[in-house]
Amino acid sequence: DGGITQSPKYLFRKEGQNVTLSCEQNLNHDAMYWYRQDPGQGLRLIYYSQIVNDFQKGDIAEGYSVSREKKESFPLTVTSAQKNPTAFYLCASRLEGVWTGELFFGEGSRLTVL
Amino acid sequence: AQKVTQAQTEISVVEKEDVTLDCVYETRDTTYYLFWYKQPPSGELVFLIRRNSFDEQNEISGRYSWNFQKSTSSFNFTITASQVVDSAVYFCALSEVNTGNQFYFGTGTSLTVIP
Repeated sequence: DGGITQSPKYLFRKEGQNVTLSCEQNLNHDAMYWYRQDPGQGLRLIYYSQIVNDFQKGDIAEGYSVSREKKESFPLTVTSAQKNPTAFYLCASRLEGVWTGELFFGEGSRLTVL
Repeated sequence: AQKVTQAQTEISVVEKEDVTLDCVYETRDTTYYLFWYKQPPSGELVFLIRRNSFDEQNEISGRYSWNFQKSTSSFNFTITASQVVDSAVYFCALSEVNTGNQFYFGTGTSLTVIP
């Protein structure tokens, strides 16, 4: 079945450590996104990529990095520079085109900094 | 400024009651899209509906219905005869063509349906 796979589902990190969240899609979608969700808040855009080898900062990119070497993959690294990394991270993808399609989401990764 | 406002943070209803979730948006674009997503406790956002700015027809899908009114910049979502399985957080979102089709999400409404 087509979809978006995020891993790991739960992750614990010590302060000062970098951690990478995986996002893989087999929907043949061009665009991929990373969102952060905090309790009581909406989704905030971290980074997005509309094409391989290209990505753009979102509203809260500081302390995060991404790569887009393959169409199917868009990993997110939470660096030690991110001051408050504990959150729920959602990866999404969308088919680009004239008409805006909906975002398809993965099941999310919950990161806790100890 | 918040482009999408969901003023209701939490709503509780008793099973079988009807409930309406409000969504107000702000845009200067003439071409835009509105969405509703459901986020159950598992965490994944599930797409419910997309509506473009040129189509103001209301839509009904089973127990779900959506009321789009450009005059009040609202896109409200009604669940008829609510069920426990409807308990979730619901997000409204806006995508504007002139800003590269970026999505703007509201802060969500947490719905609890009490058996």
